[in-house]
Amino acid sequence: NAGVTQTPKFRILKIGQSMTLQCTQDMNHNYMYWYRQDPGMGLKLIYYSVGAGITDKGEVPNGYNVSRSTTEDFPLRLELAAPSQTSVYFCASSYSDRRKNTGELFFGEGSRLTVL
Amino acid sequence: SQKIEQNSEALNIQEGKTATLTCNYTNYSPAYLQWYRQDPGRGPVFLLLIRENEKEKRKERLKVTFDTTLKQSLFHITASQPADSATYLCALRTDSWGKLQFGAGTQVVVTP
Repeated sequence: NAGVTQTPKFRILKIGQSMTLQCTQDMNHNYMYWYRQDPGMGLKLIYYSVGAGITDKGEVPNGYNVSRSTTEDFPLRLELAAPSQTSVYFCASSYSDRRKNTGELFFGEGSRLTVL
Repeated sequence: SQKIEQNSEALNIQEGKTATLTCNYTNYSPAYLQWYRQDPGRGPVFLLLIRENEKEKRKERLKVTFDTTLKQSLFHITASQPADSATYLCALRTDSWGKLQFGAGTQVVVTP
């Protein structure tokens, strides 16, 4: 199994450009997440999804959009790139339900984005 | 949301010694707490989970404690090895669906 796969691994954007970070998982997990990680700041939750067709905002959603049309895929869209979005982005997935929601997160290898 | 504090200074330790990391939080005690390991340029990897009604959890050379009175979790690496060098993150459950909030992590450097 590949686990959680993110593409691209690296990308440089100009201010105002748009792009989509791709994320796919092959573990049939219901939950998927997007985090960003800045130096010394820890992981901040951008958006998450509890299943296909359902998404919700996390702690830092401004400037981003997501969709979840299938269980496997959870792309993150940056519409108008800004220097403040320079970061490392991690996609993650887990299996959770209300009764036993202790699912460990499985992370992708990250996408390093620089906005100049 | 919680304020989660992990020591921002790197922990330098000699091989064979026990490394102890702390994770402090400020508000309500979560139903559970998780610890992850992150190597440079890689995504975090799950290590251990401890529930609020558990005092201690072990996995091989790793031990985690959870003190809801002190609002603190301790993470121990016994008989540390250079391969244990990494950043260790604690994460707290923040809602009934299981969303996690992460600390900034503590870097551990084990020297031979």
